[in-house]
Amino acid sequence: KAGVTQTPRYLIKTRGQQVTLSCSPISGHRSVSWYQQTPGQGLQFLFEYFSETQRNKGNFPGRFSGRQFSNSRSEMNVSTLELGDSALYLCASSLESPGANVLTFGAGSRLTVL
Amino acid sequence: EDQVTQSPEALRLQEGESSSLNCSYTVSGLRGLFWYRQDPGKGPEFLFTLYSAGEEKEKERLKATLTKKESFLHITAPKPEDSATYLCALTGGGNKLTFGTGTQLKVEL
Repeated sequence: KAGVTQTPRYLIKTRGQQVTLSCSPISGHRSVSWYQQTPGQGLQFLFEYFSETQRNKGNFPGRFSGRQFSNSRSEMNVSTLELGDSALYLCASSLESPGANVLTFGAGSRLTVL
Repeated sequence: EDQVTQSPEALRLQEGESSSLNCSYTVSGLRGLFWYRQDPGKGPEFLFTLYSAGEEKEKERLKATLTKKESFLHITAPKPEDSATYLCALTGGGNKLTFGTGTQLKVEL
C-alpha cells in the first residue's frame, strides 16, 4: 500500500517568489492536513482539507493557502516568500473514524528560502 | 489554548538502559493523545493513541501511559535502532494536532 507522497522533496527559492507543494494521500483517505516543521517551533498546523473543502485552519498569514482536488490530492502555496518560511512542510492524510484520527505523514518537502 | 511540553529535549542512553520520556499537556477536552517517532529526513511515524487517563499501550520495547496532565513513553532495554526524535501531540477534536517540540533520543552501544 503506497504511503503519502510529497513532491518536490527539496527546493530552493529566493525571497519574494512563490512556491507550490504537492501531496498525494493514501488511497481512500479523504482528509489531508499540512504542517510546518522548524527547529525552533516544532510542528505547527497549517490547514486541513476534507472533500475539497478547508475544514480547519491554523494561525498562519494569508500568504499560505491550499486546495484539494476531487481525487483528494492536495497542494499548498506560499506566496511572497520570506526567509522565515524555510522549513520542512509535511502533509498527512487520514481516514475518518469515531475516535481520534491517526495521521499518516509523508516524508516532507524541505523548502529553503535565500 | 492547547499546549504540549516535552522533556527532556535530548536524552542519551546506553543500550539496555531503560528510561522515560515525559509529555505534559493542557487541553480543554482531550480527544486523543498521540506518540510519533521521527527519523532524520523522514516524516513522523505513528506509534500510539491514548484516549483517557489510566490507559496504557505497548509495542515492543515501548509503553505509553496517560494521566490527566501527563503522558509518559517508557523505553525498556533500548537498542541503537530506537534512536530517533519522539513527538507527543494531542487533539481536542479533528485533525488539528498540537505537537510538542520532541525528545531527541540517542542510544549508544
